[in-house]
Amino acid sequence: EAEVAQSPRYKITEKSQAVAFWCDPISGHATLYWYRQILGQGPELLVQFQDESVVDDSQLPKDRFSAERLKGVDSTLKIQPAELGDSAMYLCASSLTRKNTIYFGEGSWLTVV
Amino acid sequence: GNSVTQMEGPVTLSEEAFLTINCTYTATGYPSLFWYVQYPGEGLQLLLKATKADDKGSNKGFEATYRKETTSFHLEKGSVQVSDSAVYFCALSETAAGNKLTFGGGTRVLVKP
Repeated sequence: EAEVAQSPRYKITEKSQAVAFWCDPISGHATLYWYRQILGQGPELLVQFQDESVVDDSQLPKDRFSAERLKGVDSTLKIQPAELGDSAMYLCASSLTRKNTIYFGEGSWLTVV
Repeated sequence: GNSVTQMEGPVTLSEEAFLTINCTYTATGYPSLFWYVQYPGEGLQLLLKATKADDKGSNKGFEATYRKETTSFHLEKGSVQVSDSAVYFCALSETAAGNKLTFGGGTRVLVKP
Protein backbone atom coordinates (compact mmCIF):
# COMPACT_ATOMS: atom_id res chain seq x y z
CA GLU A 1 0.00 0.00 0.00
CA ALA A 2 1.35 3.42 -0.99
CA GLU A 3 2.41 5.65 1.85
CA VAL A 4 3.34 9.24 2.56
CA ALA A 5 7.07 9.31 3.30
CA GLN A 6 8.60 11.79 5.71
CA SER A 7 12.12 12.45 6.96
CA PRO A 8 13.74 12.76 9.35
CA ARG A 9 11.59 10.89 11.89
CA TYR A 10 13.30 12.60 14.80
CA LYS A 11 15.21 15.86 15.01
CA ILE A 12 16.74 17.65 17.97
CA THR A 13 17.91 21.17 17.30
CA GLU A 14 19.06 24.10 19.34
CA LYS A 15 17.05 27.26 19.66
CA SER A 16 17.73 29.75 16.84
CA GLN A 17 19.02 27.07 14.48
CA ALA A 18 17.40 26.16 11.16
CA VAL A 19 15.60 22.87 10.59
CA ALA A 20 13.93 21.31 7.57
CA PHE A 21 11.50 18.46 7.01
CA TRP A 22 10.87 16.59 3.79
CA CYS A 23 7.74 14.89 2.53
CA ASP A 24 7.02 12.66 -0.46
CA PRO A 25 3.27 12.21 -0.93
CA ILE A 26 1.50 9.20 -2.36
CA SER A 27 2.18 9.04 -6.08
CA GLY A 28 -0.36 10.99 -8.10
CA HIS A 29 -1.73 12.94 -5.14
CA ALA A 30 -2.14 16.56 -6.17
CA THR A 31 -2.96 17.97 -2.74
CA LEU A 32 -0.36 18.06 0.01
CA TYR A 33 -0.76 19.24 3.60
CA TRP A 34 1.55 20.05 6.47
CA TYR A 35 0.04 19.78 9.96
CA ARG A 36 1.58 20.50 13.35
CA GLN A 37 0.61 18.41 16.36
CA ILE A 38 1.62 19.65 19.78
CA LEU A 39 1.83 16.89 22.37
CA GLY A 40 -1.60 16.10 23.78
CA GLN A 41 -3.50 18.05 21.13
CA GLY A 42 -5.05 17.43 17.74
CA PRO A 43 -3.18 18.35 14.55
CA GLU A 44 -3.59 21.82 13.11
CA LEU A 45 -3.11 22.74 9.46
CA LEU A 46 -0.06 24.84 8.67
CA VAL A 47 -0.14 24.88 4.88
CA GLN A 48 -1.97 23.25 2.00
CA PHE A 49 -0.70 22.87 -1.56
CA GLN A 50 -2.60 22.13 -4.73
CA ASP A 51 0.11 20.90 -7.09
CA GLU A 52 2.87 23.50 -6.65
CA SER A 53 0.60 26.32 -5.47
CA VAL A 54 -0.18 27.29 -1.90
CA VAL A 55 -3.96 27.36 -1.36
CA ASP A 56 -4.02 27.89 2.41
CA ASP A 57 -1.21 29.13 4.62
CA SER A 58 -3.32 31.21 6.98
CA GLN A 59 -1.97 29.41 10.08
CA LEU A 60 1.66 29.32 8.99
CA PRO A 61 3.91 31.61 11.11
CA LYS A 62 5.46 33.21 8.06
CA ASP A 63 8.12 35.11 9.95
CA ARG A 64 9.94 31.85 10.66
CA PHE A 65 8.24 29.07 8.69
CA SER A 66 8.38 28.47 4.96
CA ALA A 67 7.12 25.67 2.76
CA GLU A 68 7.64 24.82 -0.87
CA ARG A 69 6.58 22.21 -3.38
CA LEU A 70 8.52 23.32 -6.41
CA LYS A 71 7.64 20.59 -8.91
CA GLY A 72 4.28 19.72 -7.42
CA VAL A 73 5.53 16.43 -6.00
CA ASP A 74 7.66 16.39 -2.84
CA SER A 75 7.69 19.22 -0.34
CA THR A 76 9.96 20.82 2.24
CA LEU A 77 8.93 22.63 5.42
CA LYS A 78 11.58 24.88 6.95
CA ILE A 79 11.80 26.62 10.30
CA GLN A 80 14.36 29.37 10.83
CA PRO A 81 15.07 30.27 13.54
CA ALA A 82 13.60 27.48 15.66
CA GLU A 83 12.02 28.41 18.99
CA LEU A 84 11.30 26.26 22.03
CA GLY A 85 7.57 26.44 21.29
CA ASP A 86 8.11 24.77 17.92
CA SER A 87 8.68 21.41 19.62
CA ALA A 88 5.96 19.22 18.12
CA MET A 89 5.25 16.51 15.57
CA TYR A 90 5.10 17.76 11.99
CA LEU A 91 2.77 15.65 9.91
CA CYS A 92 2.65 15.57 6.16
CA ALA A 93 -0.47 14.31 4.41
CA SER A 94 -1.76 14.00 0.88
CA SER A 95 -4.96 13.41 -1.04
CA LEU A 96 -5.73 12.64 -4.66
CA THR A 97 -7.65 15.89 -5.03
CA ARG A 98 -9.06 18.43 -2.60
CA LYS A 99 -12.24 16.34 -2.39
CA ASN A 100 -10.66 13.01 -1.49
CA THR A 101 -9.64 11.29 1.71
CA ILE A 102 -6.46 12.58 3.35
CA TYR A 103 -3.67 10.12 4.21
CA PHE A 104 -0.96 10.92 6.73
CA GLY A 105 2.71 10.07 6.99
CA GLU A 106 4.31 8.85 10.20
CA GLY A 107 5.40 12.34 11.17
CA SER A 108 8.64 14.10 12.09
CA TRP A 109 9.24 14.75 15.77
CA LEU A 110 11.01 18.03 16.51
CA THR A 111 12.55 18.87 19.87
CA VAL A 112 14.02 22.34 20.27
CA VAL A 113 16.46 22.69 23.17
CA GLY B 1 -15.88 28.51 12.20
CA ASN B 2 -15.74 24.73 12.31
CA SER B 3 -14.90 22.89 15.51
CA VAL B 4 -14.85 19.37 16.93
CA THR B 5 -15.29 18.43 20.56
CA GLN B 6 -14.56 14.98 21.86
CA MET B 7 -14.54 13.47 25.30
CA GLU B 8 -11.36 13.82 27.25
CA GLY B 9 -9.40 10.80 28.27
CA PRO B 10 -7.79 8.75 29.26
CA VAL B 11 -10.37 6.03 28.93
CA THR B 12 -9.24 2.85 30.65
CA LEU B 13 -11.01 -0.41 29.84
CA SER B 14 -10.59 -4.11 30.32
CA GLU B 15 -10.20 -6.36 27.30
CA GLU B 16 -13.55 -7.31 25.69
CA ALA B 17 -15.29 -4.27 27.20
CA PHE B 18 -17.53 -1.95 25.16
CA LEU B 19 -15.97 1.31 24.01
CA THR B 20 -17.73 4.58 23.25
CA ILE B 21 -15.97 7.85 22.48
CA ASN B 22 -18.26 10.84 22.10
CA CYS B 23 -17.71 13.40 19.37
CA THR B 24 -19.79 16.44 18.48
CA TYR B 25 -19.12 19.05 15.85
CA THR B 26 -19.97 22.55 14.70
CA ALA B 27 -19.86 23.30 11.01
CA THR B 28 -21.24 25.94 8.71
CA GLY B 29 -22.14 23.54 5.90
CA TYR B 30 -22.37 19.80 5.36
CA PRO B 31 -19.09 18.27 6.43
CA SER B 32 -17.62 14.83 6.02
CA LEU B 33 -16.73 13.20 9.32
CA PHE B 34 -13.76 11.02 10.18
CA TRP B 35 -12.15 9.03 12.94
CA TYR B 36 -8.37 8.75 12.85
CA VAL B 37 -6.27 6.57 15.17
CA GLN B 38 -2.72 7.28 16.32
CA TYR B 39 -0.61 4.53 17.84
CA PRO B 40 2.31 5.52 20.08
CA GLY B 41 5.02 7.38 18.18
CA GLU B 42 3.25 7.09 14.84
CA GLY B 43 1.28 9.26 12.46
CA LEU B 44 -2.47 9.20 11.97
CA GLN B 45 -4.31 6.37 10.27
CA LEU B 46 -7.78 6.75 8.87
CA LEU B 47 -10.10 4.44 10.82
CA LEU B 48 -13.46 5.22 9.24
CA LYS B 49 -15.46 7.99 7.63
CA ALA B 50 -18.98 9.10 6.73
CA THR B 51 -19.83 11.68 4.12
CA LYS B 52 -23.52 12.40 4.66
CA ALA B 53 -26.23 12.26 7.30
CA ASP B 54 -27.22 8.78 8.55
CA ASP B 55 -24.19 7.16 6.90
CA LYS B 56 -22.45 4.59 9.06
CA GLY B 57 -18.70 4.19 8.78
CA SER B 58 -17.15 0.94 9.94
CA ASN B 59 -13.73 -0.70 10.03
CA LYS B 60 -11.94 -3.26 12.23
CA GLY B 61 -15.01 -3.66 14.45
CA PHE B 62 -15.36 0.09 15.03
CA GLU B 63 -18.50 1.93 13.96
CA ALA B 64 -19.74 5.51 13.91
CA THR B 65 -22.99 6.99 12.56
CA TYR B 66 -23.28 10.52 11.17
CA ARG B 67 -26.12 12.12 13.15
CA LYS B 68 -27.00 15.50 11.68
CA GLU B 69 -29.81 16.19 14.14
CA THR B 70 -27.46 15.91 17.12
CA THR B 71 -24.30 16.97 15.22
CA SER B 72 -22.55 13.89 16.53
CA PHE B 73 -20.30 11.09 15.29
CA HIS B 74 -19.69 8.83 18.28
CA LEU B 75 -17.20 5.98 17.91
CA GLU B 76 -18.12 2.53 19.24
CA LYS B 77 -16.60 -0.92 19.44
CA GLY B 78 -18.31 -3.88 21.02
CA SER B 79 -15.27 -5.76 22.33
CA VAL B 80 -11.91 -4.01 22.59
CA GLN B 81 -8.52 -5.65 22.51
CA VAL B 82 -5.20 -4.59 24.03
CA SER B 83 -4.06 -3.70 20.52
CA ASP B 84 -6.79 -1.00 20.37
CA SER B 85 -4.82 1.09 22.87
CA ALA B 86 -4.16 4.34 21.05
CA VAL B 87 -5.29 7.96 20.72
CA TYR B 88 -8.46 8.46 18.70
CA PHE B 89 -9.19 11.73 16.87
CA CYS B 90 -12.53 12.85 15.54
CA ALA B 91 -12.30 15.25 12.60
CA LEU B 92 -14.39 16.99 9.97
CA SER B 93 -13.73 18.47 6.58
CA GLU B 94 -15.71 20.63 4.23
CA THR B 95 -15.15 20.88 0.51
CA ALA B 96 -15.99 24.56 0.72
CA ALA B 97 -13.07 24.94 3.13
CA GLY B 98 -10.67 23.27 0.72
CA ASN B 99 -10.94 19.85 2.34
CA LYS B 100 -9.09 21.13 5.39
CA LEU B 101 -9.37 18.72 8.33
CA THR B 102 -10.40 20.16 11.69
CA PHE B 103 -9.55 17.84 14.57
CA GLY B 104 -10.77 17.35 18.08
CA GLY B 105 -8.27 17.17 20.91
CA GLY B 106 -8.00 13.39 20.87
CA THR B 107 -9.03 10.70 23.36
CA ARG B 108 -6.44 8.31 24.74
CA VAL B 109 -7.73 4.77 25.19
CA LEU B 110 -5.89 2.21 27.29
CA VAL B 111 -7.06 -1.39 27.20
CA LYS B 112 -5.78 -3.64 29.97
CA PRO B 113 -5.58 -7.43 29.66
